[in-house]
Amino acid sequence: DSGVTQTPKHLITATGQRVTLRCSPRSGDLSVYWYQQSLDQGLQFLIQYYNGEERAKGNILERFSAQQFPDLHSELNLSSLELGDSALYFCASSARGLAEETQYFGPGTRLLVL
Amino acid sequence: LAKTTQPISMDSYEGQEVNITCSHNNIATNDYITWYQQFPSQGPRFIIQGYKTKVTNEVASLFIPADRKSSTLSLPRVSLSDTAVYYCLVGDTDYGGSQGNLIFGKGTKLSVKP
Repeated sequence: DSGVTQTPKHLITATGQRVTLRCSPRSGDLSVYWYQQSLDQGLQFLIQYYNGEERAKGNILERFSAQQFPDLHSELNLSSLELGDSALYFCASSARGLAEETQYFGPGTRLLVL
Repeated sequence: LAKTTQPISMDSYEGQEVNITCSHNNIATNDYITWYQQFPSQGPRFIIQGYKTKVTNEVASLFIPADRKSSTLSLPRVSLSDTAVYYCLVGDTDYGGSQGNLIFGKGTKLSVKP
């Protein structure tokens, strides 16, 4: 158990819909990261937050957005969903968001868009 | 962006030592080398991290030559439960080395047989 929690575990929805994925970091960690893992693309970094502020952006689509709240939990919002958005979405956390720190990954949310 | 190259797959037998080599020719001065392990449908898990020479922990060893253009993850006496995908990563200094986003490659799929 990494200490990072993600809800829900599974999500099934239809194209065009909007969903919200939630992540709670390990106690004491200030930085949260979101990753997408699909069969053909591997593990892709989406976005990073540190203490409520966006710090780095990766391959995140404009239809996707995220935020980190004062209590440090984070939400990833996916809108106008397409079939290709079906994937595992992982959240990770680290203490200060530095490159040399260990990132602790949550169990993931499996999204299926039909 | 620092890029890594590692074998797509490797096979081994229980009790053997496994060495997975990763090439990172464009590694920057401040970059650390980190290895993660991922089981199916689970988030990646930190194994080991190093900057130069050799690092050893209770799980693995990491060998880094002086030029740091490659690194080798060594797993002693593997068991069936070590069957997983192993990712080699280096820090992304395009973000100044201060952000912690990880650039995952395809990883090496290790299959341990009885």
